[in-house]
Amino acid sequence: DIQMTQSPSSMSASLGDRVTITCQASQDIGNNLIWFQQKPGKSPRPMIYYATNLANGVPSRFSGSRSGSDYSLTISSLESEDMADYHCLQYKQYPWTFGGGTKLELK
Amino acid sequence: EVQLVESGGGLVQPGASLKLSCVASGFTFSDYWMSWVRQTPGKTMEWIGDIKYDGSYTNYAPSLKNRFTISRDNAKSTLYLQMSNVRSEDTATYYCTPGYFDFWGPGTMVTVSS
Repeated sequence: DIQMTQSPSSMSASLGDRVTITCQASQDIGNNLIWFQQKPGKSPRPMIYYATNLANGVPSRFSGSRSGSDYSLTISSLESEDMADYHCLQYKQYPWTFGGGTKLELK
Repeated sequence: EVQLVESGGGLVQPGASLKLSCVASGFTFSDYWMSWVRQTPGKTMEWIGDIKYDGSYTNYAPSLKNRFTISRDNAKSTLYLQMSNVRSEDTATYYCTPGYFDFWGPGTMVTVSS
């Protein structure tokens, strides 16, 4: 199975901060990665497809990037509505696997 | 508008069986692979498996393959998850989602406890 190591598991940041969350893949997944946002009591919402493509309706302050086996989700200027859990998922090879999740809180 | 409504969850005893359903609307159900995903109380997410649009092929997470079975009824736009010999570690919220996880229902919660 492909392991997705997500970091950090939790973090606190201030409004306006630049925030980066990373998933490291144990094997090559190409760019077959989705980032999800999940707010308390809500279902996951896809934010970024194929590692770098913004989903419909997602604010432009969100972006996705790749460096080797490291995939990152960046929020350029944190807003209060961005406080949530974030998850990555690889869909390159079965079984598809999630990262461990990141809880983003306000400092 | 796409809607997915999962049902069938509840409190079940260890060793029991349970069948979850997911009724889909707002898209052509029979055109899409469908997945089941679960989320533990600790928020860890796990892909359970998926089923081809015509029901002819399934994939599973290896750790669940022997106890979980995914099926579908395209005439009813309904996806199913049959769970057998459930364990405490199966306690989670179960979601169905089409294609590349574009849409999600509210989920149905399963609690395994004696």
